[in-house]
Amino acid sequence: GAVVSQHPSWVICKSGTSVKIECRSLDFQATTMFWYRQFPKQSLMLMATSNEGSKATYEQGVEKDKFLINHASLTLSTLTVTSAHPEDSSFYICSAKSGRKSETQYFGPGTRLLVL
Amino acid sequence: GESVGLHLPTLSVQEGDNSIINCAYSNSASDYFIWYKQESGKGPQFIIDIRSNMDKRQGQRVTVLLNKTVKHLSLQIAATQPGDSAVYFCAEIKDSSYKLIFGSGTRLLVRP
Repeated sequence: GAVVSQHPSWVICKSGTSVKIECRSLDFQATTMFWYRQFPKQSLMLMATSNEGSKATYEQGVEKDKFLINHASLTLSTLTVTSAHPEDSSFYICSAKSGRKSETQYFGPGTRLLVL
Repeated sequence: GESVGLHLPTLSVQEGDNSIINCAYSNSASDYFIWYKQESGKGPQFIIDIRSNMDKRQGQRVTVLLNKTVKHLSLQIAATQPGDSAVYFCAEIKDSSYKLIFGSGTRLLVRP
């Protein structure tokens, strides 16, 4: 089956620093990738939709200048949390889908971010 | 917006019993629904899906029921096993953006 990886799996950083999270589709080309954030005991909240070669589309309330998304190739999307603060600590999950009309999203294992 | 809850409802079942997890979805125009299983510290895992032109779909030990009249989705797990313990989310796709809108989730605990 289709595999999506994320790196790193967990990261601890100091407040004010930036953190980059990678999402890769390992055995298929992902025309679209999605980034989610999940706080403890809560559901997944969609942050943004990333299409290869174009600007990401952000959900309402998500700061695009804080959460920079780059989808430079059909197998890689990156999420950079800029000037991270403790309230950005969360579980970040990406998903990828292979075709423009495909509904199936394959999820990565998630990245846990802790900002001190 | 998406539903967010501070506390996950919990369903506790005896090993071997059947489990039924319920979900209310938000958009009557949604035409595709998925159930995901999420274990602690991991990403969601696809379980089963159903389209709006169906009211029931069966998989291995799992059945999804869709009631469009009341916008209700359920997941039935037969002969629940300890490995089924996880948080279960329903999700809907409501338009051609293919964005997934997740429900608030239910924690399933299987007692040995």
